Amino acid sequence: KQEVTQIPAALSVPEGENLVLNCSFTDSAIYNLQWFRQDPGKGLTSLLLIQSSQREQTSGRLNASLDKSSGRSTLYIAASQPGDSATYLCAVRGDSGAGSYQLTFGKGTKLSVIP
Amino acid sequence: EPEVTQTPSHQVTQMGQEVILRCVPISNHLYFYWYRQILGQKVEFLVSFYNNEISEKSEIFDDQFSVERPDGSNFTLKIRSTKLEDSAMYFCASSATYGYTFGSGTRLTVV
Repeated sequence: KQEVTQIPAALSVPEGENLVLNCSFTDSAIYNLQWFRQDPGKGLTSLLLIQSSQREQTSGRLNASLDKSSGRSTLYIAASQPGDSATYLCAVRGDSGAGSYQLTFGKGTKLSVIP
Repeated sequence: EPEVTQTPSHQVTQMGQEVILRCVPISNHLYFYWYRQILGQKVEFLVSFYNNEISEKSEIFDDQFSVERPDGSNFTLKIRSTKLEDSAMYFCASSATYGYTFGSGTRLTVV
């Protein structure tokens, strides 16, 4: 059964800092990995999607990397802003067979960017 | 940008009552999902739906749950006899081939 872990659980940084959020998963047979942002009491906003054949994806100040063989992904946020404060969720989709339609989520990293 | 729309945003119901949560997926998506998030816990998969039938379901999705696509645009989750532990945020999602798009959720409170 796939397990997804995110470290750290919470992170507080001053505005302008670059930061890295970590995600690890136990089963490397994944189809893709998706990073989401969740604001308190709100839905999930997709940030980046990395297919299993890709190594990284970039969108603006965000860069996500994937090392499928070691079961790791990182989300790099450059020049953090107070508006980046949210919980960041990592989710993996299975490659085939049972679990290939569903996403397995980590518990998230709660980011606070201090002005 | 296309959105997944969920209604209502918040529903309060008495224990034992039936509730129906509604979703309008993105129009050209073929795969539909329900997930839930109990306060403070991980987002959990409930069920996936493709070609008018359930393709996968989790252990959580027991006989009290059902899903339906009653017409060409809506996708519903019915909980037959709600329990206190069903209180959670319920998210609908849809996908075409790769990534998911989630709705903003329905917060279900069972009292």
